[in-house]
Amino acid sequence: SAVISQKPSRDICQRGTSLTIQCQVDSQVTMMFWYRQQPGQSLTLIATANQGSEATYESGFVIDKFPISRPNLTFSTLTVSNMSPEDSSIYLCSVSRTREQFFGPGTRLTVL
Amino acid sequence: AQRVTQPEKLLSVFKGAPVELKCNYSYSGSPELFWYVQYSRQRLQLLLRHISRESIKGFTADLNKGETSFHLKKPFAQEEDSAMYYCALRSPGNTPLVFGKGTRLSVIA
Repeated sequence: SAVISQKPSRDICQRGTSLTIQCQVDSQVTMMFWYRQQPGQSLTLIATANQGSEATYESGFVIDKFPISRPNLTFSTLTVSNMSPEDSSIYLCSVSRTREQFFGPGTRLTVL
Repeated sequence: AQRVTQPEKLLSVFKGAPVELKCNYSYSGSPELFWYVQYSRQRLQLLLRHISRESIKGFTADLNKGETSFHLKKPFAQEEDSAMYYCALRSPGNTPLVFGKGTRLSVIA
C-alpha cells in the first residue's frame, strides 16, 4: 500500500492569491497524480508529475495556473495560482503502486 | 477517448435489498476497470478491480466487454454500505485513472 499525507487539509483564501499544496508519500514512487474534485463533481485529472521532468497537464489545465514541483520520489507540490472562486475544490494527490492507485486525504480549498 | 458513465447520481435502497450500481465505459482496447468507494469523512479507497475477480464486503462486479459495462452488485445491502461509489478505468500500465461522476448509495433501515 501507500500512505499519503497532504498539507494543508483545508484553507480559505482570498481571490487573486496563490496556495501551494504539499503531498508526501511514505515510500518512493515513480508517478504522482494531481486531481481536482469540484463540489458535487467527480475527480478530474489535472496533471501527472514524474521526478526529474516537467509535469504533463491534461486538457484544460495549464502550467501557469497549476505549477507543479516534483523534487524527489516521495514529494510533490501543486500551486493554485491567482485564485478565483471557481478554483474552490478538493485537490487530491494520488500515486500508483502494484497496479493500484492510492489517494491522499485531499485539500479542501475555498476561495472568497 | 476514455469515458466512464454512471447514470445514477443517487440510489436509495432498503436494508437487505439487492443493490446494483451501473457503470458503462468507452475505450478502444482492453482497459482495467475499478470500483472506488468514499465513506463519509474518509478518503477514497479501492473497493475492487476486475482483474482480481474478488468479492469485497459482499460486492462483486463483472466486466462485460460486449456491453462495455462493469456494474457493481451486492445481494443484500447493509446500512454501512452507504457511501459514494466511483467507477474508474485506466489503460494498461502505470497510467492515471479516469473516473465516472459517482453514485451516492443510501441504504435505508
